[in-house]
Order: sequence, then structure tokens, then C-alpha cells
Amino acid sequence: AQSVTQLGSHVSVSEGALVLLRCNYSSSVPPYLFWYVQYPNQGLQLLLKYTTGATLVKGINGFEAEFKKSETSFHLTKPSAHMSDAAEYFCAVSREYGNKLVFGAGTILRVKS
Amino acid sequence: DTGVSQDPRHKITKRGQNVTFRCDPISEHNRLYWYRQTLGQGPEFLTYFQNEAQLEKSRLLSDRFSAERPKGSFSTLEIQRTEQGDSAMYLCASARTGATGELFFGEGSRLTVL
Repeated sequence: AQSVTQLGSHVSVSEGALVLLRCNYSSSVPPYLFWYVQYPNQGLQLLLKYTTGATLVKGINGFEAEFKKSETSFHLTKPSAHMSDAAEYFCAVSREYGNKLVFGAGTILRVKS
Repeated sequence: DTGVSQDPRHKITKRGQNVTFRCDPISEHNRLYWYRQTLGQGPEFLTYFQNEAQLEKSRLLSDRFSAERPKGSFSTLEIQRTEQGDSAMYLCASARTGATGELFFGEGSRLTVL
């Protein structure tokens, strides 16, 4: 079975600082990996995804993530945080039949001015 | 692309009542998923359809829950004899077969059981 662990339920950074949200996964097959963002009272929006190919993937709003198979990790980064980045972020894994996504518990990002 | 729409957005009901949620997926998407999200948790898979066929149900989906997608377009999720533990956000998502796993989510239907 697949599973996702997000380290840190809350992360707080200053505006302009590096954002690092951690995600580790377990999967018996090569995974597809995703980061979704959820703003208050809104649905989940895809930030970026890794399927095959280049292990460093770039997404919307300046976010990127690197797939590291040896570490079973897919950490999300952004060089400089903006106030508008404050939201909850979910890491997810898929490769089972039907492309069902398995989500982590989420990390709430707070950006301080 | 009109996106995934869910109705109602909010539902408050008394314990023991039945509730039904509707999801309209993106029109060309043949897969439709239901998830449940509670405070402090990530979305948990409930069930999914490919066209009108319900292909998988989670153990989370008790006998009080039933989902349908009769014509392979919109879907309904019904909860009978609601319990306070059913209070959650119910999320619907859709996708195309063969797409690389990306799901498109609606804004969710929030259920509060008093």
C-alpha cells in the first residue's frame, strides 16, 4: 500500500525566506507524486507533479520539488516566501490502478511579515 | 473548462437525517472520485467511478453511504441516518483515463451534523 508522511503540521517562515515543506512516501511501484495547495474555503489546486523524466519539477507560483528515489522524498521548496503563499499544502502519491491519490496529513504554511 | 462543481456547498442537518451531495465533473472526464476531509487531516479516499461503474470503495464507506453515477456524468453521494462523526468536507474530483494521475477537485461540500 502507498502512504505519505509530511513532516511538520505547521511551518512558519518570514516573508522573503526560503520555504521548505517535507514529504516522504512509500510505494511498491515507481510513484507519481503531487503537491496540492488549499486556500481557506477553496478546493485543492495542483501545484506541481512528478511522473517520469526530470526529477526536479517546477510548478506554479515559483514552487519546485525534487524527486529523490534513494530518500523516498519529494520536498517542496520556494526560494522566497510571499504573504500570498499562506495556505495548507498536501503531498500525494499515486500509481495504483485508477490513479487514486493517497494524501499526507497536510502542512499549514504561515508567512510572517 | 468549467471545473468541478459541487452542491450544496454547506449542509447543516440533525443527527439521523439523510443528506445527498451532488458533483458535476469536468465534462470530458470519465473518472470521478469522492474524498472526505476532516479538520487537520488530508483528504481520505472514499470511492471512484469510471464512467458509470463504481470500481472501488474504501472501508471508510460504511453501509450508510452510497454513491451513484447513473449516466456516467454527474454523481451523488448519499449519507443515510447521519451521525456526528460524519461531519466533514466531502470533496469530489475528476480525471481522464490515461492522464498522469492528476485529479481536478471541486470546492467541496461541508457537512455539519448536529
